Amino acid sequence: DTAVSQTPKYLVTQMGNDKSIKCEQNLGHDTMYWYKQDSKKFLKIMFSYNNKELIINETVPNRFSPKSPDKAHLNLHINSLELGDSAVYFCASSQTGSSGNTIYFGEGSWLTVV
Amino acid sequence: TQLLEQSPQFLSIQEGENLTVYCNSSSVFSSLQWYRQEPGEGPVLLVTVVTGGEVKKLKRLTFQFGDARKDSSLHITAAQPGDTGLYLCAGAPPGTYKYIFGTGTRLKVLA
Repeated sequence: DTAVSQTPKYLVTQMGNDKSIKCEQNLGHDTMYWYKQDSKKFLKIMFSYNNKELIINETVPNRFSPKSPDKAHLNLHINSLELGDSAVYFCASSQTGSSGNTIYFGEGSWLTVV
Repeated sequence: TQLLEQSPQFLSIQEGENLTVYCNSSSVFSSLQWYRQEPGEGPVLLVTVVTGGEVKKLKRLTFQFGDARKDSSLHITAAQPGDTGLYLCAGAPPGTYKYIFGTGTRLKVLA
């Protein structure tokens, strides 16, 4: 069973569209994250939820809205997609209080905006 | 803004060679992690170091946390093609869960 799973893995869409990426973790972790990795492989945190509460909200356009219906799920909705949104989006989870807070990543969602 | 700079950015070596990757910052971190990411996959944790000066070994990989907990290094002995990948360091400032990732080092080991 995949620990952190996200769908879709690949997404090609036109500018201006709205799209969502879903994420689920079956590790029982209390914290989930969304990271964005650009073409230069730089991995930057976007959001983090702890027990469904937003705890990290980096400088991200308002077009990006995370939603956590429960501790095991964290979805990312993107409105009015722009060319610059093309990237790989990684969902991840961790358990607070665990040694070093190991972050477990999903396989990524490759978003291409054309 | 805290920044973790990794060097070198790219590294291409022959199988059997040794190499060291550096992760530097001007900020203190409560812990520092190293991840490896292979194409088409998410990063996978290799090690976590939490004490200044700490050294951890994982087979042919040796990780060190700087005494001041601002920097770290990853040394690979006798590199193999299977070591090829993107190596990322990540640190969390004291009292936060906000892990900041380094700029990455792309390693290619040629057979």
